[in-house]
Amino acid sequence: DTAVSQTPKYLVTQMGNDKSIKCEQNLGHDTMYWYKQDSKKFLKIMFSYNNKELIINETVPNRFSPKSPDKAHLNLHINSLELGDSAVYFCASSSQGGAYEQYFGPGTRLTVT
Amino acid sequence: KQEVTQIPAALSVPEGENLVLNCSFTDSAIYNLQWFRQDPGKGLTSLLLIQSSQREQTSGRLNASLDKSSGRSTLYIAASQPGDSATYLCAVRGDYKLSFGAGTTVTVRA
Repeated sequence: DTAVSQTPKYLVTQMGNDKSIKCEQNLGHDTMYWYKQDSKKFLKIMFSYNNKELIINETVPNRFSPKSPDKAHLNLHINSLELGDSAVYFCASSSQGGAYEQYFGPGTRLTVT
Repeated sequence: KQEVTQIPAALSVPEGENLVLNCSFTDSAIYNLQWFRQDPGKGLTSLLLIQSSQREQTSGRLNASLDKSSGRSTLYIAASQPGDSATYLCAVRGDYKLSFGAGTTVTVRA
């Protein structure tokens, strides 16, 4: 049973294109996140949504726009892709109650050429 | 701003040796600390979560301690096995988000 899933797993595209990454969680969590892992393997928060409302936006360029149609989904749309956007993007979820333990998806490796 | 540091950056040990991985953080106002494992090309697997009020957590061969006042956590892995080879990430939770260290890459030699 997949807890946090992302599609696609790999994404290769050219500069200037627009692309989306989808994330779904079946854990019943109310908070979802997007993280970026750069080439040096450093993980950094990008966005966080709680009950479909944006609660964290960590100085991410406006070209990145998260969309949360419901509590179980948080999609990431990227406009006008740049070379520097190449990274692995991870989706995660947690519950506001309890331990706040975060569960991560398998990641989407984005390569911009 | 929370900064998380993990030392060492890499570690290579023979099978059977105990592993000690260190994590330090600058802001002690945390809700919890989470240790993750990441295999090459894979996602993150949560290993242990320690609440800010706890001193340690144990799961099988893994034991993690937390000293919030000094901003330190240590992950101990007993009797290491080649299957323990991976990158171990420490993350501290502030308001709504985790701040990660850069990780310790562990290689256990058979």
